[in-house]
Amino acid sequence: DGGITQSPKYLFRKEGQNVTLSCEQNLNHDAMYWYRQDPGQGLRLIYYSQIVNDFQKGDIAEGYSVSREKKESFPLTVTSAQKNPTAFYLCASSEGEKLFFGSGTQLSVL
Amino acid sequence: SQQGEEDPQALSIQEGENATMNCSYKTSINNLQWYRQNSGRGLVHLILIRSNEREKHSGRLRVTLDTSKKSSSLLITASRAADTASYFCATSVRDTGRRALTFGSGTRLQVQP
Repeated sequence: DGGITQSPKYLFRKEGQNVTLSCEQNLNHDAMYWYRQDPGQGLRLIYYSQIVNDFQKGDIAEGYSVSREKKESFPLTVTSAQKNPTAFYLCASSEGEKLFFGSGTQLSVL
Repeated sequence: SQQGEEDPQALSIQEGENATMNCSYKTSINNLQWYRQNSGRGLVHLILIRSNEREKHSGRLRVTLDTSKKSSSLLITASRAADTASYFCATSVRDTGRRALTFGSGTRLQVQP
């Protein structure tokens, strides 16, 4: 069953804590993306990676970090420097120009 | 950067009616895409229209693109309650090193049964 898997579905962060959101795909896509969505808003690009071992900052990269050590995996770390992390995080991969999305992770601050 | 802005922000119609959503963008594009999002879920690709195309159809969906006005519209005909979702336009911007889509703010569509 091909697709993009994000985990966990819900995540809670304590003050000063780093948390990592997982994104795995078995679609054999080269490119992967992280977007942030605030309530009632559109998607804003955090980071993207066109190929393994390479990634680029998006529009709101501050307070976030990523790695791309394997083609199928693109984890996102929300660091303590991100002061307003509460949002819905969406991971995607692309075949050509079309994006395929995971089902998202809701991150909340305790 | 918010490349696309959808209009209206919210739309409520009766089942069987047509729904029209509009998207405006700011810079030259390679293509424009429409996505759908059910509440609390990921987005699903609906349709892609290239900058040299003016109209495209897919089932009950009709998309138009006017590059001179930097705008696009999505028409859903004979709407169903299952069409209730948020709809986003996304643009691939021309002549930049950026290899990622920029999304608009979305239109929330409610189809009343």
